[in-house]
Amino acid sequence: KAGVTQTPRYLIKTRGQQVTLSCSPISGHRSVSWYQQTPGQGLQFLFEYFSETQRNKGNFPGRFSGRQFSNSRSEMNVSTLELGDSALYLCASSMGQGEREAFFGQGTRLTVV
Amino acid sequence: AQSVAQPEDQVNVAEGNPLTVKCTYSVSGNPYLFWYVQYPNRGLQFLLKYITGDNLVKGSYGFEAEFNKSQTSFHLKKPSALVSDSALYFCAVRVPDSGGYQKVTFGTGTKLQVIP
Repeated sequence: KAGVTQTPRYLIKTRGQQVTLSCSPISGHRSVSWYQQTPGQGLQFLFEYFSETQRNKGNFPGRFSGRQFSNSRSEMNVSTLELGDSALYLCASSMGQGEREAFFGQGTRLTVV
Repeated sequence: AQSVAQPEDQVNVAEGNPLTVKCTYSVSGNPYLFWYVQYPNRGLQFLLKYITGDNLVKGSYGFEAEFNKSQTSFHLKKPSALVSDSALYFCAVRVPDSGGYQKVTFGTGTKLQVIP
């Protein structure tokens, strides 16, 4: 059974550009969550999608957005990139109900220059 | 609002000695508690979880954690540390809403260094 797949693994962008990251959850999982990991801030929750609807949202500016498709794949978009957006972006999938644990992808490392 | 605290940025332990990585939480309601491990340049891997029942939870790679409701703690433990246990460990808490959806809050992580 394939795990959570995030693409691309590495990305370099310049300030002001926008970027789209992709996450394919484990087959059968309907919930996808996104996290930003930086050395200074640790793991911070961005948002969670379930059945194509955003269910929860963290404290990030509106430049950060996402969506989920009918096949549960999710994309995250960051517009007008800032240097501080450089981070490892992690996606996690779960069944979306009850006490099921989340399974994480390897992440996309975004560097903004 | 829920929160998780991992009071130690780094824990050093000699190989073969017992290890403890501390975690305390603050939630309203009954928490679901998790431990994850992250190796360099990798995503997080699930270690163990507490939902209900026995306060001592056993997980992957010989790790276990003890849920203490009165102290609101969920410390990770292992009787005998291995050098390969060296990694970043995250404690997480989730309080499901009525719809069963989740917002997971992670601690800041504790770097475990096992010294040969």
